[in-house]
Amino acid sequence: DAGITQSPRHKVTETGTPVTLRCHQTENHRYMYWYRQDPGHGLRLIHYSYGVKDTDKGEVSDGYSVSRSKTEDFLLTLESATSSQTSVYFCAISGDRDSYGYTFGSGTRLTVV
Amino acid sequence: TQLLEQSPQFLSIQEGENLTVYCNSSSVFSSLQWYRQEPGEGPVLLVTVVTGGEVKKLKRLTFQFGDARKDSSLHITAAQPGDTGLYLCAGAGANNLFFGTGTRLTVIP
Repeated sequence: DAGITQSPRHKVTETGTPVTLRCHQTENHRYMYWYRQDPGHGLRLIHYSYGVKDTDKGEVSDGYSVSRSKTEDFLLTLESATSSQTSVYFCAISGDRDSYGYTFGSGTRLTVV
Repeated sequence: TQLLEQSPQFLSIQEGENLTVYCNSSSVFSSLQWYRQEPGEGPVLLVTVVTGGEVKKLKRLTFQFGDARKDSSLHITAAQPGDTGLYLCAGAGANNLFFGTGTRLTVIP
């Protein structure tokens, strides 16, 4: 059983529409992260959460918002999708910030046309 | 942003050969991790190194953390086709990990 699942796995959307990606964990981990992965850039942090309703920005947060109303769910919203947000999005969880052992989901491939 | 540079970017070798990939930064990290990622999946943690000069072995994989905690290497002995994948290093910052761009390894049977 996967301790972390992302949905949807694939999505195609039009420029200007809002999009929400979901990350669900069953590990009761405190820390959750959203990264995007692009060729030549590696994994870049968008937003992260260190508890329910506690979130903060990463290095590429413009155009994105997040919410965490429950320990198990971390939502990423693209408020008005742009072609530059075409990417693969990964959610990760960690139980202990100091150990930094991340478990990643399988990713969501988002295409904005 | 704390930059992590990995080299080489691409590596294609024959089964049974040895190889080393490198992860370098100008920043000091409290710990450094290595992940392997396969197509269509998220990265999977291989190892965490914490102490400068530390060496960890995971079967045919040997990981070393530099004395100054700015760099790391991954050595694979007798590579197998199952080692094929994208290898990522990641350094621990104050609140999250900073990832390198990766080394894409292909092991040819």
